[in-house]
Amino acid sequence: GDSVTQMEGPVTLSEEAFLTINCTYTATGYPSLFWYVQYPGEGLQLLLKATKADDKGSNKGFEATYRKETTSFHLEKGSVQVSDSAVYFCALSPGGYQKVTFGTGTKLQVIP
Amino acid sequence: DTAVSQTPKYLVTQMGNDKSIKCEQNLGHDTMYWYKQDSKKFLKIMFSYNNKELIINETVPNRFSPKSPDKAHLNLHINSLELGDSAVYFCASSQEVQRYNEQFFGPGTRLTVL
Repeated sequence: GDSVTQMEGPVTLSEEAFLTINCTYTATGYPSLFWYVQYPGEGLQLLLKATKADDKGSNKGFEATYRKETTSFHLEKGSVQVSDSAVYFCALSPGGYQKVTFGTGTKLQVIP
Repeated sequence: DTAVSQTPKYLVTQMGNDKSIKCEQNLGHDTMYWYKQDSKKFLKIMFSYNNKELIINETVPNRFSPKSPDKAHLNLHINSLELGDSAVYFCASSQEVQRYNEQFFGPGTRLTVL
């Protein structure tokens, strides 16, 4: 079945540091890929998405590129802020009404 | 103008009780979901309904019974609550667009079973 593996946290960074959160996947076919973010006490919200190979999703300074050859979708941000502290989830959707598979989440803490 | 809303936000109850969580979405989506998130933030799908029909039913104890009176509502009833049911339960909705499936999540219901 489909699976998503993302790096374990927590990840602790100083403000303005560079962020990478690794995500790899296994799936049949050509899934769409997502990063969701969960701020403390809230539900998940979509951060960015990519629907086909080589697509780059971007939002709020975050970027991720759909790499089919390495089955990866790593999340990056050039300069993190304290307000980026949250749990980040990588996810894939096979399409249609099949279930979305989420990674285990990576907690990011940014310190001033 | 909350897109996906859940009630209650917090639920504290004794073992053995029966409780319900309600979910409503005003996005016009045709599919709704229940997820369980444990204390380590691991997110697990429980159920999915499309136009009031059950389409995903993961391995969930039959103490959990979802009900969808219409496509804008999906409620979750839990019988004979156990300590292990303590978690945050999220409702979500989606509408397939160009074959991908963006989920819109509610704020969650934190269930504590004592």
